[in-house]
Amino acid sequence: DSGVTQTPKHLITATGQRVTLRCSPRSGDLSVYWYQQSLDQGLQFLIQYYNGEERAKGNILERFSAQQFPDLHSELNLSSLELGDSALYFCASSVAGLLDGNTEAFFGQGTRLTVV
Amino acid sequence: DAKTTQPPSMDCAEGRAANLPCNHSTISGNEYVYWYRQIHSQGPQYIIHGLKNNETNEMASLIITEDRKSSTLILPHATLRDTAVYYCIVRVSGGTSYGKLTFGQGTILTVHP
Repeated sequence: DSGVTQTPKHLITATGQRVTLRCSPRSGDLSVYWYQQSLDQGLQFLIQYYNGEERAKGNILERFSAQQFPDLHSELNLSSLELGDSALYFCASSVAGLLDGNTEAFFGQGTRLTVV
Repeated sequence: DAKTTQPPSMDCAEGRAANLPCNHSTISGNEYVYWYRQIHSQGPQYIIHGLKNNETNEMASLIITEDRKSSTLILPHATLRDTAVYYCIVRVSGGTSYGKLTFGQGTILTVHP
């Protein structure tokens, strides 16, 4: 158990809908990262938050947005869903991740999103 | 972040040491080498990381060459549960990347009975 909690574990929804994925980081971790892993694709970095502020952006679509709340949990919002958005979505957290590369990140077990 | 090159797949017999190589010839002085693994669509699992010295923990050993252009992850006694995709990542300290991990394709390690 990494200590990172993601809910829900599975989600099935229709095209055009909007969903929210939730991540609770490990206690004390200030950084949250979101990754997408499509079938047969590698892990693609989407976005990072540090202590409530967006710090880095990767290949995140405009239809997707995220935020980190004062209690440090994070939500990834996916809207106008398309079939191609079906994927595993992972959240990771680390203590720092701001200027220190010497801190490991721990991943949750992911949310499997299926768009039908 | 520096790019890494790993063999796409490797095999290992159960109980033997698994040595997974990684090339990171463009690594910078402030970049750490990280290893993660992913077992069948589970969340990636942290294994070990290092800067320039060799490192060992309860899971594995990490050997980094003196010029830091390559490294080897060693699983001393591989078990069937070690079958996974292993990712070698270089992670910058400082700058604007804010410590994000950039995953490549990794090495599929298959441990045989």
